[in-house]
Amino acid sequence: AQKVTQAQTEISVVEKEDVTLDCVYETRDTTYYLFWYKQPPSGELVFLIRRNSFDEQNEISGRYSWNFQKSTSSFNFTITASQVVDSAVYFCALSEAGYSTLTFGKGTMLLVSP
Amino acid sequence: DADVTQTPRNRITKTGKRIMLECSQTKGHDRMYWYRQDPGLGLRLIYYSFDVKDINKGEISDGYSVSRQAQAKFSLSLESAIPNQTALYFCATSGLGQRSGGEGANVLTFGAGSRLTVL
Repeated sequence: AQKVTQAQTEISVVEKEDVTLDCVYETRDTTYYLFWYKQPPSGELVFLIRRNSFDEQNEISGRYSWNFQKSTSSFNFTITASQVVDSAVYFCALSEAGYSTLTFGKGTMLLVSP
Repeated sequence: DADVTQTPRNRITKTGKRIMLECSQTKGHDRMYWYRQDPGLGLRLIYYSFDVKDINKGEISDGYSVSRQAQAKFSLSLESAIPNQTALYFCATSGLGQRSGGEGANVLTFGAGSRLTVL
């Protein structure tokens, strides 16, 4: 069975601080996808990134970066120089090869104060 | 118009009533899903459908049923609503799965959510 753990329930930072959101996953498949979604206070779910299990290259997109490490089954998300608009709940998710149902973690609420 | 549209957006009902949440999409995706979000529990899969004739139970299907009326429409029903079904419900769609190798494979596009309160 697949499982996603986001151990940090809530994180509070001050604007311009860097923050890392942790995600640890469990799967028996050797081929799988990992995702991050953002849910701002308005409630919609916004896709941020998808990573294939066979591609361990880290990715950077503006202030966002993702660190995928198979050895520790982790897919962590870092926001550099956080802004108030980054305040949201962030979900990590996993889908196994051949399926498109996603298993989500419980989410991490990030609060960025001015 | 939104790619994935959910109706109603908000609904308050009483215990024992039958409720239907509707979802329609214009993305042309074959795959559709219903998820439920509860505070502190993340999103949990209720039902999913890979095409019009396909219905599959998810993690928490008890108390729910679904209907895939067309490729673009996927409805979730609560035959007899109970208070612990109070939650935020999301419909989602996706294109072909991992086998397609497509850029959007397995990426879910979500509707705006339907907030259901059962009194």
